[in-house]
Amino acid sequence: ETGVTQTPRHLVMGMTNKKSLKCEQHLGHNAMYWYKQSAKKPLELMFVYSLEERVENNSVPSRFSPECPNSSHLFLHLHTLQPEDSALYLCASSRMGAGPVGELFFGEGSRLTVL
Amino acid sequence: SQQGEEDPQALSIQEGENATMNCSYKTSINNLQWYRQNSGRGLVHLILIRSNEREKHSGRLRVTLDTSKKSSSLLITASRAADTASYFCATDTGRRALTFGSGTRLQVQP
Repeated sequence: ETGVTQTPRHLVMGMTNKKSLKCEQHLGHNAMYWYKQSAKKPLELMFVYSLEERVENNSVPSRFSPECPNSSHLFLHLHTLQPEDSALYLCASSRMGAGPVGELFFGEGSRLTVL
Repeated sequence: SQQGEEDPQALSIQEGENATMNCSYKTSINNLQWYRQNSGRGLVHLILIRSNEREKHSGRLRVTLDTSKKSSSLLITASRAADTASYFCATDTGRRALTFGSGTRLQVQP
């Protein structure tokens, strides 16, 4: 138990569906992240929310939409996805200050399959 | 091009042997971290080494950092079957997030 909980753990959706992934952290952290892990590829940073600021990877398609209503919750809204979006989506949190990035605490991931 | 690349991509050893994994990166860093991932699970932080440090130990783990060569190594001594996992290096380059490499898959044969 890392203190970061992701739901659902597994999701199968069609290309026309709309679904959301949820992440919740109980560690009192002030930064949350979405990473995408595809087979045989490095983890790809998608979005960061820290210190009330959002940083995003400009290569992430607009069919992925993040939402961070407070420092403990993070969502990834999915719509009109493509089969190549099938991957393990990992949420992480950390304590962020003005200095370097510290240790990230990861959830167990949401395995997404797009048919 | 990737910021972090691990070498080798896969490593198979016998229990009790030492395992060494290497990581190279391209740009200057604030720190470098190593993570472990069991198959299909989340990543777990192992150790962080700052840019002004050269070596760090944690239990059976030893990490070195050579900023002149932009490289790091992770040594796991006296490996166990339970050490079987993928290992990733990650760098903080000041982008408010970590950049991860592709990982090394370690198999420890009992």
